[in-house]
Amino acid sequence: DAKTTQPPSMDCAEGRAANLPCNHSTISGNEYVYWYRQIHSQGPQYIIHGLKNNETNEMASLIITEDRKSSTLILPHATLRDTAVYYCIVRGFNFGNEKLTFGTGTRLTIIP
Amino acid sequence: DSGVTQTPKHLITATGQRVTLRCSPRSGDLSVYWYQQSLDQGLQFLIQYYNGEERAKGNILERFSAQQFPDLHSELNLSSLELGDSALYFCASSVDVSSYEQYFGPGTRLTVT
Repeated sequence: DAKTTQPPSMDCAEGRAANLPCNHSTISGNEYVYWYRQIHSQGPQYIIHGLKNNETNEMASLIITEDRKSSTLILPHATLRDTAVYYCIVRGFNFGNEKLTFGTGTRLTIIP
Repeated sequence: DSGVTQTPKHLITATGQRVTLRCSPRSGDLSVYWYQQSLDQGLQFLIQYYNGEERAKGNILERFSAQQFPDLHSELNLSSLELGDSALYFCASSVDVSSYEQYFGPGTRLTVT
């Protein structure tokens, strides 16, 4: 799986959009970009995933650049409950390789 | 609530002991994953089972073993415990191996003294 690079920490004002960047310059054509988050010491929570098109769900939007070497997770109206560590993960689907490889993530703090 | 349950929530034991962590996946999920989260190593994949069979292994120590039972629940056995085994242990499940989403349980916090 391709490696990802994320800033270690970010702050965002409550009510504003939080934009979390991720670099994955060695991503392969069949690898997806996933985002998970971990609130305090709870189990990680799936947010969204994409291959090459932008994606949106009830939690967030995922913007993937045309060359697929980077992406941005957008939380449109951040709340205090969005304070968490956000992990950007790149994963293909090879036999016996369905695991998630977590990096160090971005610690997002929402400021009241 | 992800639908994945893990017991116990907390476990305190001494070095050299053996413990068993239990995971019940979401109803209908066939694949179970175990992850370890420690302060120095972060979240690391240990092992995956699919429908009772071992499917993939990560950085799992030989002192650790796991299995998935016919009712699909899974157990992670940790033996000859060392101080460095103190960590959060998460179980996750997915419908099958090609699922995009893994659902994580609340974890078991193991403290080895």
